[in-house]
Order: sequence, then C-alpha cells, then structure tokens
Amino acid sequence: QKEVEQNSGPLSVPEGAIASLNCTYSDRGSQSFFWYRQYSGKSPELIMFIYSNGDKEDGRFTAQLNKASQYVSLLIRDSQPSDSATYLCAPKSYSSASKIIFGSGTRLSIRP
Amino acid sequence: DAGVIQSPRHEVTEMGQEVTLRCKPISGHDYLFWYRQTMMRGLELLIYFNNNVPIDDSGMPEDRFSAKMPNASFSTLKIQPSEPRDSAVYFCASRHYPWGQTGNTEAFFGQGTRLTVV
Repeated sequence: QKEVEQNSGPLSVPEGAIASLNCTYSDRGSQSFFWYRQYSGKSPELIMFIYSNGDKEDGRFTAQLNKASQYVSLLIRDSQPSDSATYLCAPKSYSSASKIIFGSGTRLSIRP
Repeated sequence: DAGVIQSPRHEVTEMGQEVTLRCKPISGHDYLFWYRQTMMRGLELLIYFNNNVPIDDSGMPEDRFSAKMPNASFSTLKIQPSEPRDSAVYFCASRHYPWGQTGNTEAFFGQGTRLTVV
C-alpha cells in the first residue's frame, strides 16, 4: 500500500464552483499535512498546512483533516482558471517527521 | 535569500554519459532533499540530508545514482552512466526543521532540472 493515495484526475470543475481534492494515507502516526500546488512546468509551492482534526480556512481554500478515517481534503471555493494545477498532498509523520513524501497528485482543470 | 538554486535548468545528454546536477539550499536550512518527477511515478523522494549527512537514500533507484553534500551550501546528484529512463525533472528542496517542531516546517523547492537522456 502506498503511503499516500490521491486520485490522479484530471478533475474538471466549472469556474465558480467548489473543487474538492482528496487524499488518504496509511500511517496512523501522521500528525499533520501539507498541501502543495504545482503549476505545469513549475516547482511545487506550499498553499496549506493543517495539523489538527477539523477544518482550516485560508481565503478560498479550506483543508479538512479526519485522523480517525485517515483522510484529508482540500476544498477550493469560487474556483478560478488560475487554480488549474496539480495538487500534492504530503503527510508529516511523528515517526519520520523530517522527510516529506508526496502523493502522486491530482490534476485540477477549471473550465471557464 | 534567493531561494533554492539548481543548475543546470535543462540538460540533454547521450546515454552512457555522466550527469551532475547541482543544488544550493536556502541559507540556514538544515535539511536538503532530492526528488525526481515523472508522469508515471509522480514526485519521488530519492535521498535526503540532515546537516550534510545522508539520512535516507532508500529512494535512490540504482547504484548509478549517487548524491553528496560536501558542505551546508552545496549538494550534487550524479548519474553515471545515464540511461533514457532517467529522463525526468529533478528537484532539490530544503527546509529548516528543529527537532520536535510540530508547526509548519515547509520544504522550499528549486526550479528543477529537466534531464533528457537520448
């Protein structure tokens, strides 16, 4: 089983709608999570970090963490064409907190 | 700080040749990571260093790959001999991670090196 699983997509969402990106993980010791965004031909950049159960909001972005279900999601409200990118999830495990292992990423396309 | 700096940005080489990728991490960062990204396998962690010491190289695909970090401001990833299947984008990333830190300790990525082996 992979440490981190993401639907590769592409996920196509109309402009203005909510995009929902999901990530499941196998290590129950995972304490927190990074969400990175990667535009085509560019390097990944951090957009959200969440470390407690529940929701964390930052502008149009909301990260949701459910440790019991080993599930983390990223919601993008009022999707814009500029949100079209690949979104990478990475858990931060207590046992191996120093390294960052990424999921394969979900490619998101916002159609006008 | 200028961020993580990688060179070259693009490299085209013939099969069998030696390839050396270079990385300068952000000053003050104590962790350095080398990743490889392909469409098929996504973003894979190859090796990472803490205070210039290799900690985990289990992601290095074969003995043809080697990485060094002679000092806090420089690291290399070498492939010898190179093969067409090594064609990928190679990213270097660095972070500052104090032991036991529970907050956000994100990794910052360089612009990557696009390697093509023909």
